[in-house]
Amino acid sequence: AQSVTQPDIHITVSEGASLELRCNYSYGATPYLFWYVQSPGQGLQLLLKYFSGDTLVQGIKGFEAEFKRSQSSFNLRKPSVHWSDAAEYFCAVGFNTDKLIFGTGTRLQVFP
Amino acid sequence: EAGVAQSPRYKIIEKRQSVAFWCNPISGHATLYWYQQILGQGPKLLIQFQNNGVVDDSQLPKDRFSAERLKGVDSTLKIQPAKLEDSAVYLCASSSFTGELFFGEGSRLTVL
Repeated sequence: AQSVTQPDIHITVSEGASLELRCNYSYGATPYLFWYVQSPGQGLQLLLKYFSGDTLVQGIKGFEAEFKRSQSSFNLRKPSVHWSDAAEYFCAVGFNTDKLIFGTGTRLQVFP
Repeated sequence: EAGVAQSPRYKIIEKRQSVAFWCNPISGHATLYWYQQILGQGPKLLIQFQNNGVVDDSQLPKDRFSAERLKGVDSTLKIQPAKLEDSAVYLCASSSFTGELFFGEGSRLTVL
């Protein structure tokens, strides 16, 4: 069955520290991969996506993610976290760009 | 460009009552989605429309949930009768030919 696992429910980092959010997926083929961010009371906003090609993708707000086929992973990274990055982050996979399967999310807390 | 509009933002009802949520997608977006996001979980697709036709409603609990998209523009999601487990945020999203999903801010339902 297709699934997405985000092992970390809650992560706390200090402002300026680096960040890595983990995402593992189970899928029959190489899926389309996405990271979304959700601020409190807001809808989801697309950070970045991977369809094919270069396995390191750049997104908005200074985020990047790396697709590793051998590990079935698509981890999200940011070299220096800002207080405004505090939010919930969702990894998602799909056969196309729609009908996405979302992970359970990772809540990021940023301390000054 | 206006985003995806949803109303109401918040709704509290008692079990067995009915409720309706409205969504107006981004102008020109042919595809519209309703997602259910239960607290602590990622969004789950309920139904997908392409113009005014249903593409996928396999995860819609049809005994109590219904949705329509008249004239291929705005959409209504109805729950009747509501159960306690329907407490969630109902997210509407739309997409154009690029496939990227744009989400509304959601309608939070509390069933008492």
